Amino acid sequence: DVKVTQSSRYLVKRTGEKVFLECVQDMDHENMFWYRQDPGLGLRLIYFSYDVKMKEKGDIPEGYSVSREKKERFSLILESASTNQTSMYLCASSLKTGVYGYTFGSGTRLTVV
Amino acid sequence: AQSVTQPDIHITVSEGASLELRCNYSYGATPYLFWYVQSPGQGLQLLLKYFSGDTLVQGIKGFEAEFKRSQSSFNLRKPSVHWSDAAEYFCAVGKGGGGADGLTFGKGTHLIIQP
Repeated sequence: DVKVTQSSRYLVKRTGEKVFLECVQDMDHENMFWYRQDPGLGLRLIYFSYDVKMKEKGDIPEGYSVSREKKERFSLILESASTNQTSMYLCASSLKTGVYGYTFGSGTRLTVV
Repeated sequence: AQSVTQPDIHITVSEGASLELRCNYSYGATPYLFWYVQSPGQGLQLLLKYFSGDTLVQGIKGFEAEFKRSQSSFNLRKPSVHWSDAAEYFCAVGKGGGGADGLTFGKGTHLIIQP
């Protein structure tokens, strides 16, 4: 089975800090995604990447950036964390076409205080 | 742009009863459709998917879904629910149809199972 591993389950950071959320997948998937999940809003796409060093904005990229230096690793960066970025962050990966569905990590619950 | 609507925020079902969760999508061409389940504190698990062929799709854990183009629907069903089915369920459509550049999710339906 494909595994998508997010390095932290829970994080607490202070306003203004630079925050890194790490995601690693072990099945050689081309595509990787970052979503945030908020109650009543469902999942919203922040950024995705279809190849090393490639990135595309999703629906809500403001306040975030990403890095993909290796195929298996996709990092989400909050340059200056704010309280409205308190959320559950979910990483996912898929084969190139995406038609077989995504595999999700267990999520990182980030609290910004 | 595509969109997904799950009209029911919460659904309560008795254990052993049948279940249907509704999903309506908006997309101009043949969509790629997915149902995911999320247990508390967990990531999302793929239940089933549709992208072509037979409109009745079988998934894991005894779930099935039927694609109805005329109604723009992809409803999830299970003939007899178990207490372990209590979870959040998400319907999704592939962006641009295929899903390679992201999925658009509905806001989810919270399933409660009564003993």
